[in-house]
Amino acid sequence: NAGVTQTPKFQVLKTGQSMTLQCAQDMNHNSMYWYRQDPGMGLRLIYYSASEGTTDKGEVPNGYNVSRLNKREFSLRLESAAPSQTSVYFCASSLQGSNQPQHFGDGTRLSIL
Amino acid sequence: AQSVTQPDIHITVSEGASLELRCNYSYGATPYLFWYVQSPGQGLQLLLKYFSGDTLVQGIKGFEAEFKRSQSSFNLRKPSVHWSDAAEYFCAVGASSSNTGKLIFGQGTTLQVKP
Repeated sequence: NAGVTQTPKFQVLKTGQSMTLQCAQDMNHNSMYWYRQDPGMGLRLIYYSASEGTTDKGEVPNGYNVSRLNKREFSLRLESAAPSQTSVYFCASSLQGSNQPQHFGDGTRLSIL
Repeated sequence: AQSVTQPDIHITVSEGASLELRCNYSYGATPYLFWYVQSPGQGLQLLLKYFSGDTLVQGIKGFEAEFKRSQSSFNLRKPSVHWSDAAEYFCAVGASSSNTGKLIFGQGTTLQVKP
């Protein structure tokens, strides 16, 4: 069982470059999420998609865009990367509802120079 | 607004000793509560969850947690820690009044296990 798959696992960018982080889940989940993890700050929600066809801002959306391509895939785009976006990015998915546990990918470690 | 506080950033215990990790939440209604564990270089794995009913919940890997409404707490416990339990632990709260599935995470507690 693959669960939640994130690509790439590591990436180094220069300031101003753009890139898209990919996420796919094979659990037939309705909801998908993008988080960033920084030391001492836990996980902060960037964007989420409660169901296919909808996306909403989370706690820290500035500098990011998302696309819910279909039920399986939810991508995160950095249009013009900044050093402050150096972080570990996690994608998660769940069945719809706040009582549903989220299942996480292994993360993308992104460094912006 | 919801919030979660994990007061201990770092805890060290000896192998075989008991463990308690603290979690305090702020939410007006009955919350949905979760504990996750993250091993180095990995994603988060669900340990246990509380929605309603029995306030003592059992999870995987021998962990349990107790919901105390009067103290707004959901502390994680394990009677005897193993070296493989060294990891980072996150408490999270979901809103029972919302169907979005959004979670608020605490800052995390890093557990070190001494041999």
